[in-house]
Amino acid sequence: GAVVSQHPSWVICKSGTSVKIECRSLDFQATTMFWYRQFPKQSLMLMATSNEGSKATYEQGVEKDKFLINHASLTLSTLTVTSAHPEDSSFYICSAREKAGAKNIQYFGAGTRLSVL
Amino acid sequence: QKEVEQNSGPLSVPEGAIASLNCTYSDRVSQSFFWYRQYSGKSPELIMSIYSNGDKEDGRFTAQLNKASQYVSLLIRDSQPSDSATYLCAVGRYNNNDMRFGAGTRLTVKP
Repeated sequence: GAVVSQHPSWVICKSGTSVKIECRSLDFQATTMFWYRQFPKQSLMLMATSNEGSKATYEQGVEKDKFLINHASLTLSTLTVTSAHPEDSSFYICSAREKAGAKNIQYFGAGTRLSVL
Repeated sequence: QKEVEQNSGPLSVPEGAIASLNCTYSDRVSQSFFWYRQYSGKSPELIMSIYSNGDKEDGRFTAQLNKASQYVSLLIRDSQPSDSATYLCAVGRYNNNDMRFGAGTRLTVKP
């Protein structure tokens, strides 16, 4: 399957700082990337959908000024958690959509575990 | 009603048995269906995708789709301890821009 690289895999930061997470599709062009958040023992929750060259579409209840998403190229999307607080501590996972005809399969990055002290 | 429902489990089967995982969905216009496996602390890994009614087999895995009943299942034959994980059902509309995940079923395969 296609490879999606996510970096960093683990971040510990102080409350009030900003954290940037990168998501790269390594062997395909991803016109659309997705950002998810997962709390312990809960399912994936879609935060936003990012299309290359345009503004991200955020899910209801997700603050776009707090979770800044940039999708500047067909292989890179970034999520910046601004002024992070302990309640933002979670497992953040990106996925990229490979267009295989009409199949549109999503492949996931390895995830970033964010701990805000 | 949740958009994608799965039995949270845990589902426990002995090694070598068939594990059956079920998923129902509420959106009748759904067109794409996926099963992902997620090990604890890791991100989901795609196992199967299915788009048409019927069965689709890949090695020890068989996905079954019944759009009329809005039901998709995953069978794992000859279950191995390494199959122990949480299995996520995902359902999407055209282009998958709003693909939704179930809460996952935790499977334990006992040696």
